[in-house]
Amino acid sequence: EIVLTQSPGTLSLSPGERDTLSCRASQSVSSSCLAWYQHKPGQAPRLLIYGASRRAIGIPDRFSGSGSGTDFTLTISRLEPEDFAVYYCQQYCTSPTFGQGTRLEIK
Amino acid sequence: QVQLVQSGAEVKKPGSSVKVSCKASGGTFSSYAIRWVRQAPGQGLEWMGRIIPVLGEVNYAQKFQGRVTITADRSTSTAYMELSSLRSEDTAVYYCAREVVGATGSGYFDLWGRGTLVTVSS
Repeated sequence: EIVLTQSPGTLSLSPGERDTLSCRASQSVSSSCLAWYQHKPGQAPRLLIYGASRRAIGIPDRFSGSGSGTDFTLTISRLEPEDFAVYYCQQYCTSPTFGQGTRLEIK
Repeated sequence: QVQLVQSGAEVKKPGSSVKVSCKASGGTFSSYAIRWVRQAPGQGLEWMGRIIPVLGEVNYAQKFQGRVTITADRSTSTAYMELSSLRSEDTAVYYCAREVVGATGSGYFDLWGRGTLVTVSS
């Protein structure tokens, strides 16, 4: 099983700041099978990025994904108030596994 | 616009079973897969099983093999997940998610339900 480790566990930032979230895999993952999700309490998780860098339909261009091998990054270029949530990475090269999440909170 | 609408919260006794539904409102399952994922309090996301309704193909995570049954009714575009022999550790939010399956046989999830809280308590 591919283990995904996200860092940091919690990030405190202010609206307007830039945010970089990390996802590290226990073994190399093809960049074609890494996704990112946003999850707010009581809501359905929302697909942001798939294929490591492809934005899902309707996702603002302030969200971008990058990386390859074992290290992947989700960047939010300029935080909006609605961006404060929990973010998960997921790999689907093998049976899907998820990172434990990064909580992005308002500073 | 398709939404996945899940059934409401459940409270169950240890040893009993629960059946959670997931209806594709505003559309059909088409050729997508539906995967069930759960999140226990303070824990991560883990998948339980998957069904491809158009093929009738089902597979389960080894951890839940023998305790989980996933079915789908194509006529109503509804998927079901039944978990038996419930124990307190099964207290969790259960999600259904529409899977875009790639060449690897697994995929990413482009649509999720809001989740169903199942509480197992005596």
